[in-house]
Amino acid sequence: QKEVEQDPGPLSVPEGAIVSLNCTYSNSAFQYFMWYRQYSRKGPELLMYTYSSGNKEDGRFTAQVDKSSKYISLFIRDSQPSDSATYLCAMSARAGGTSYGKLTFGQGTILTVHP
Amino acid sequence: NAGVTQTPKFQVLKTGQSMTLQCAQDMNHNSMYWYRQDPGMGLRLIYYSASEGTTDKGEVPNGYNVSRLNKREFSLRLESAAPSQTSVYFCASRERDRAEKLFFGSGTQLSVL
Repeated sequence: QKEVEQDPGPLSVPEGAIVSLNCTYSNSAFQYFMWYRQYSRKGPELLMYTYSSGNKEDGRFTAQVDKSSKYISLFIRDSQPSDSATYLCAMSARAGGTSYGKLTFGQGTILTVHP
Repeated sequence: NAGVTQTPKFQVLKTGQSMTLQCAQDMNHNSMYWYRQDPGMGLRLIYYSASEGTTDKGEVPNGYNVSRLNKREFSLRLESAAPSQTSVYFCASRERDRAEKLFFGSGTQLSVL
């Protein structure tokens, strides 16, 4: 069983839709929860991150972490064609641990937003 | 701002050939990483270097070696390439106290025939 599981999709939605992307994990040592966005033939770029539990909002994007359920989500409101990309969840343990800074990634979800 | 630079961008090898993937960063980062990305598998850590002079194995190190040449450069070597090493390889670096933010290069697409 992988430490981080993510539904690879692909996911296709119309412009303006609300998109929900999710990951589950098994390692209770994870404290940093990230979402990376990867455009075709490019390297991933950090989109959002959350430390420990809770919600974080940045424009049309909201990241949620539920540590009790070991479940994280990314919501995209009013999705745009420019949001079409692969979205990767990633996690890391806390500072001082042997896994600090070593990100464990989910499989990635391919999202297409069509006009 | 160059960020993380990887060379080459594309490479085709025959089984048994060797090659070195080069990576350099100009952000004065201590930590550097090599990941491979395969369809349906996400990014998997091959090796990492927490600081100049140190290297450690990641999740999938078999068949690879690394060298942290200096603070800027971190190379990945395939001594005897196998078809299973066909993948896209990404180098990344990280600031010392920012566990969440890796800066990635644009990748090397490697095919082993």
